[in-house]
Amino acid sequence: GENVEQHPSTLSVQEGDSAVIKCTYSDSASNYFPWYKQELGKRPQLIIDIRSNVGEKKDQRIAVTLNKTAKHFSLHITETQPEDSAVYFCAASEGYNFNKFYFGSGTKLNVKP
Amino acid sequence: EPEVTQTPSHQVTQMGQEVILRCVPISNHLYFYWYRQILGQKVEFLVSFYNNEISEKSEIFDDQFSVERPDGSNFTLKIRSTKLEDSAMYFCASRASGRDTQYFGPGTRLTVL
Repeated sequence: GENVEQHPSTLSVQEGDSAVIKCTYSDSASNYFPWYKQELGKRPQLIIDIRSNVGEKKDQRIAVTLNKTAKHFSLHITETQPEDSAVYFCAASEGYNFNKFYFGSGTKLNVKP
Repeated sequence: EPEVTQTPSHQVTQMGQEVILRCVPISNHLYFYWYRQILGQKVEFLVSFYNNEISEKSEIFDDQFSVERPDGSNFTLKIRSTKLEDSAMYFCASRASGRDTQYFGPGTRLTVL
């Protein structure tokens, strides 16, 4: 099955700096890669996603890049704010199967004011 | 905005007892999922459900687990004989047909004593 690795496990940045979180996956057939933000004690919420036919997608301060050859994808947050502090999870679909997902181990982002 | 709801928010049970976790997916969604998250660990896929049958299940989803859509609005996860290691947060999610995004519920924290 798919194996998703996520790094770093914790990330501390100063407010206004950029943050980058990276994930690798093992199944070259995976074609959908969502990113979720989970605040303490709350539900995971989708913040951005990308399909394998796209190399980059941006939504305001958040962007995701995908390198299919290297089988890795990254979340980029620019101009970080304290409210960006949360745990971020990447995930990958099992091939073209949108009914099965594998999650990374999470990155705890701390944005210091 | 419609949301996935789950009840109860916290369930405490004795080892060996049966528990039923309840979810109400977003009303026009057709794909339903259960995930679990052991404290401090990654989100793990358990099962997906479509058209009144299981689409996919993980290795975790053994004979102790079952899912059901007993009526037009509820989606349940039953654990027949709980073990200590079943203690986790259980998230339900739903997805609309033709869409990529899964929407998560707030979770049920299951504690097995």
